[in-house]
Amino acid sequence: DTGVSQDPRHKITKRGQNVTFRCDPISEHNRLYWYRQTLGQGPEFLTYFQNEAQLEKSRLLSDRFSAERPKGSFSTLEIQRTEQGDSAMYLCASRLIAGTANTEAFFGQGTRLTVV
Amino acid sequence: GESVGLHLPTLSVQEGDNSIINCAYSNSASDYFIWYKQESGKGPQFIIDIRSNMDKRQGQRVTVLLNKTVKHLSLQIAATQPGDSAVYFCAEIEGQNFVFGPGTRLSVLP
Repeated sequence: DTGVSQDPRHKITKRGQNVTFRCDPISEHNRLYWYRQTLGQGPEFLTYFQNEAQLEKSRLLSDRFSAERPKGSFSTLEIQRTEQGDSAMYLCASRLIAGTANTEAFFGQGTRLTVV
Repeated sequence: GESVGLHLPTLSVQEGDNSIINCAYSNSASDYFIWYKQESGKGPQFIIDIRSNMDKRQGQRVTVLLNKTVKHLSLQIAATQPGDSAVYFCAEIEGQNFVFGPGTRLSVLP
């Protein structure tokens, strides 16, 4: 257990429905990432937050996707009008950024989304 | 664009042997690298990291080697155990994000 929690672990939804995932990072970590991973591929960056500010979004993050981190602690990722191509594992990771030195990111167990 | 990749998609080793997993990167400006292990149905698990001012770093049963001249990274696992069976990813820091390669599946044979 890395200390990063994601909920739910699995989600099956019908095409066109909205879904929301939650991530609770390691409590003292100020940076939070969302990644997407499809079968046989490495994780792909979606977006990240520094405290409550969303600082970068990937081109993969279409306008149907929105992420929030309202109090700089937990984060939510919402997908509206889901499509079959959204089926993937959605991973959350957190890091402690202090100074200029790079540090590792710790990942949660992911939420596996299946759109039928 | 520049990206991180891997030489071999699969690797099978006998239990007790040493494993070497390779990774090629193309961004010569990368200054931080991580190896992750991912078991089926789980998130990536941090194994070891290395900064570009180092050539080698050792952990418990694992060693990472960095060759900046040829932009090559490797992960060595000593005395490979069945529990080491997983997909291994190298990742490089690009800006503020981690860029992952496609991964190598390590299978440990009894």
